[in-house]
Amino acid sequence: QKEVEQNSGPLSVPEGAIASLNCTYSDRGSQSFFWYRQYSGKSPELIMFIYSNGDKEDGRFTAQLNKASQYVSLLIRDSQPSDSATYLCAVETSGTYKYIFGTGTRLKVLA
Amino acid sequence: DVKVTQSSRYLVKRTGEKVFLECVQDMDHENMFWYRQDPGLGLRLIYFSYDVKMKEKGDIPEGYSVSREKKERFSLILESASTNQTSMYLCASRVTGNTEAFFGQGTRLTVV
Repeated sequence: QKEVEQNSGPLSVPEGAIASLNCTYSDRGSQSFFWYRQYSGKSPELIMFIYSNGDKEDGRFTAQLNKASQYVSLLIRDSQPSDSATYLCAVETSGTYKYIFGTGTRLKVLA
Repeated sequence: DVKVTQSSRYLVKRTGEKVFLECVQDMDHENMFWYRQDPGLGLRLIYFSYDVKMKEKGDIPEGYSVSREKKERFSLILESASTNQTSMYLCASRVTGNTEAFFGQGTRLTVV
């Protein structure tokens, strides 16, 4: 089992819709979770982080964490064509400084 | 602003050469990482360092080594480059703890 798993996509949504991106992780002791966005040919940039169970909102973005299910998700409301990118989930494994990424989900927002 | 700088944007090397990829950060971060990124495989961790002279293997360390003699600099070494090491290499750094990682611009390495 991979440490961090994401559906590679592509996930296609129409402009204005909600995009839902999912990530599961294997280390039950993991404490911190991060979502990065990567445009083609560019380096990843942080969108949001979440540490506690529940929802965390920042503008059009909402991160959701369920530690019991080892599941973290990112919702993008009112999706825009400029949101088209690869979204990477990252987890810091417990007891180490190891920082692991999923394979990423490619999102396409159709105008 | 945090700045993570990789020494080369593009690099072409021959099979069997020893290759050095350099990464420098200017924010006194304790943790530094080397990843490679390949289509469909995402970012895979090669090596990381949590302090000066300290290093840990990541998920794919074979064929690579690292050096961290100073806090700001983390070098990735390909002892004898092979064609299967053709990839995009990304360096990142972060403060110890629940913090984000900052990435360099990447080095596109081609081994011929």
